[in-house]
Amino acid sequence: DAGVTQSPTHLIKTRGQQVTLRCSPKSGHDTVSWYQQALGQGPQFIFQYYEEEERQRGNFPDRFSGHQFPNYSSELNVNALLLGDSALYLCASGARTYEQYFGPGTRLTVT
Amino acid sequence: AQKVTQAQTEISVVEKEDVTLDCVYETRDTTYYLFWYKQPPSGELVFLIRRNSFDEQNEISGRYSWNFQKSTSSFNFTITASQVVDSAVYFCALSVYTSGTYKYIFGTGTRLKVLA
Repeated sequence: DAGVTQSPTHLIKTRGQQVTLRCSPKSGHDTVSWYQQALGQGPQFIFQYYEEEERQRGNFPDRFSGHQFPNYSSELNVNALLLGDSALYLCASGARTYEQYFGPGTRLTVT
Repeated sequence: AQKVTQAQTEISVVEKEDVTLDCVYETRDTTYYLFWYKQPPSGELVFLIRRNSFDEQNEISGRYSWNFQKSTSSFNFTITASQVVDSAVYFCALSVYTSGTYKYIFGTGTRLKVLA
């Protein structure tokens, strides 16, 4: 049984560009949450999706958007990249309970 | 609002020493869950333990032990006889039900360095 998978592993982008990160949840899970972890900080909640809709959002600008597909996989999109968007992006899946399973993360570097 | 505080930014110990990582949380919810995760340099979060707000029983798992005290809103983590492989960043997290879903609130982490 595969756990949560994320792609790509690493990514380098230039300021102003757009990026898409992908996440496949653990089998049996229908909820996907995204977190941003800046260097030296704890993960910060970006938003959560289930039933293909954004259900809750953290304190992140509209440049951060997402999508959930019918197979429960999810994408995180960030537009107009800033240097400050450089971080580890973690995806977590769950079954609408308190427990979430984290993926290995995508490390984004903005130059 | 919910909050998790890990006041220790970095701790260095010599191998075989015991070390305690502190975690203080804030929430008005009566039902909540507390977690500890280990994050090695690879970045992946490794689950260590989960506790719900109604279970204050302390737990021991090998060299690891956890002390949950609702009276002081603390959930501390002790490693006995530390080893070099314990070197990592450790995060305490709080999960609460809000706006129809669960989300995690993480502390800022404690970097543990175990020296040989």
